[in-house]
Amino acid sequence: GENVEQHPSTLSVQEGDSAVIKCTYSDSASNYFPWYKQELGKGPQLIIDIRSNVGEKKDQRIAVTLNKTAKHFSLHITETQPEDSAVYFCAASIYNFNKFYFGSGTKLNVKP
Amino acid sequence: EPEVTQTPSHQVTQMGQEVILRCVPISNHLYFYWYRQILGQKVEFLVSFYNNEISEKSEIFDDQFSVERPDGSNFTLKIRSTKLEDSAMYFCASDGAGGLQPQHFGDGTRLSIL
Repeated sequence: GENVEQHPSTLSVQEGDSAVIKCTYSDSASNYFPWYKQELGKGPQLIIDIRSNVGEKKDQRIAVTLNKTAKHFSLHITETQPEDSAVYFCAASIYNFNKFYFGSGTKLNVKP
Repeated sequence: EPEVTQTPSHQVTQMGQEVILRCVPISNHLYFYWYRQILGQKVEFLVSFYNNEISEKSEIFDDQFSVERPDGSNFTLKIRSTKLEDSAMYFCASDGAGGLQPQHFGDGTRLSIL
């Protein structure tokens, strides 16, 4: 089955700096890659997603890049703010197989 | 914005007992999921459900587990003969198209087995 690896496990940045979280996947058939933000005591909330026919997607301060050849995708957060502090999860799925595989999570700490 | 709601938020159960976790998915969604997150670990897929039957399940989802959509709004996860290692956060999720659209998660039920 699919295996999603995520790095780093913790990331500490100064407010205003950029943060990058990286994930790799093993199954080349995976074609949908969402990113989730999980705040304490809450369920994962989708922040951005990308499909395999697109190499990059941006939404304000958040962007995701996908390299299908290398089987990795990354989350980029620019101009970080303290409210960005949370655990971020990447995930991968194969269309029409209703099964998502999650990375192990990155705890992002944005220091004011 | 529509939400996935889960009840209870915290469930404490004696080992060996049966527990039912409840979820109300977003009303126009067709695909429903249960995930488990053991403290400090990754979110793990348990099962997906579509058209009143299981469409995918993981190795974790053995005979101890079952899911049901008893009516048009609820989606339940039943865990029989609970074990200490079943202690975890259980998340329900739903989406409209299965595997290629964002999933919406509830805030989870914390299950504590004593």
